[in-house]
Amino acid sequence: SQQGEEDPQALSIQEGENATMNCSYKTSINNLQWYRQNSGRGLVHLILIRSNEREKHSGRLRVTLDTSKKSSSLLITASRAADTASYFCATDLSGSARQLTFGSGTQLTVLP
Amino acid sequence: KAGVTQTPRYLIKTRGQQVTLSCSPISGHRSVSWYQQTPGQGLQFLFEYFSETQRNKGNFPGRFSGRQFSNSRSEMNVSTLELGDSALYLCASSFWGYRGMDTDTQYFGPGTRLTVL
Repeated sequence: SQQGEEDPQALSIQEGENATMNCSYKTSINNLQWYRQNSGRGLVHLILIRSNEREKHSGRLRVTLDTSKKSSSLLITASRAADTASYFCATDLSGSARQLTFGSGTQLTVLP
Repeated sequence: KAGVTQTPRYLIKTRGQQVTLSCSPISGHRSVSWYQQTPGQGLQFLFEYFSETQRNKGNFPGRFSGRQFSNSRSEMNVSTLELGDSALYLCASSFWGYRGMDTDTQYFGPGTRLTVL
């Protein structure tokens, strides 16, 4: 069963706007990762944030982590139609980074 | 560096049959994990292999099994297929030598879409 919940389940925005997705989890983690998936294909790794980090940037991506609230957010700035995909957060709830527990995902649609 | 490759990409089987899926990790990666993705259950961890040994196993019945070869390539097998086994099966590899950011990132293959009729 899914340990993480993502919010919203679906998000539709215009090109150029920012998109924010949230992820919550239930137990302690060492790190949290965000992945993107296009149309049922493989997952593309976006960013990893460790439990002792609060914020990380990678290009147009900004990830925050609040371990006290057990939540993370992914912000995509200046979105493009090519950003249309499903976005998943994944945690090492089991203690192993090679046994990831995924959230339910957010389907992002960026309209041209 | 070539990415994770999975074969076949698509597979159609009938109930009761068995199936074997293959995964070749990124060169130098010694850990391979398998995941099942379905619309109802989402992404779920199946098992992880490192140095030809199963390190972790998810909550799946014994019909699901796997193995890893000395070159780190991995296979997973599903016996006595059921309709509910229809899913996208994803393989991921990672480098496991010491604790660090690079070792904690899993790189996924394109997946094998299995349809059970």
